[in-house]
Amino acid sequence: DAGVTQSPTHLIKTRGQQVTLRCSPKSGHDTVSWYQQALGQGPQFIFQYYEEEERQRGNFPDRFSGHQFPNYSSELNVNALLLGDSALYLCASSLGPLNSPLHFGNGTRLTVT
Amino acid sequence: AQSVTQPDIHITVSEGASLELRCNYSYGATPYLFWYVQSPGQGLQLLLKYFSGDTLVQGIKGFEAEFKRSQSSFNLRKPSVHWSDAAEYFCAVAGGVTGGGNKLTFGTGTQLKVEL
Repeated sequence: DAGVTQSPTHLIKTRGQQVTLRCSPKSGHDTVSWYQQALGQGPQFIFQYYEEEERQRGNFPDRFSGHQFPNYSSELNVNALLLGDSALYLCASSLGPLNSPLHFGNGTRLTVT
Repeated sequence: AQSVTQPDIHITVSEGASLELRCNYSYGATPYLFWYVQSPGQGLQLLLKYFSGDTLVQGIKGFEAEFKRSQSSFNLRKPSVHWSDAAEYFCAVAGGVTGGGNKLTFGTGTQLKVEL
């Protein structure tokens, strides 16, 4: 039973560039959430996708956008990268957006130079 | 808005000793509560969850947690710590069906070190 998979595992980008991170949910899950974890901090909610629509959004600027595909996989896009976007980006999946526990992937480590 | 406070940034215990990690939450209604563990360079693994019912919750790896509504707390305990338990532990709260679904708000984490 495949868990949540994320790609790539590591990424280095330059300020001003754009990046796309990918996530495949755990088998049987239909909801994907994205979190940003800065060094030494707890994860912070970016947004959640269910039925190919953004259902909830955290306090992140419009530079952060996403997409969910019919197979439930998801992408996180970040435009105009800032140094402060350097973080571990975690994808989590669940069965529905309401009361199912989240299962996390191992994350993508993004470094912006 | 919901929030979580983990007052202990670092905790060191000896192998075999008991462990309690503190978590206080702020939420207007009955919350959904979670404990996750994160090993270096890894994602988060769910240890246990509280949705409703029995306030003492059993999880994986011998962990348990107790929901105390009067104290707004959800402390994590383990009677005997193993060296492999060294990791970072995160408490999280969600609003559930009536309050934002399973969108999690995390605490800042407690780093556990185990001395052999």
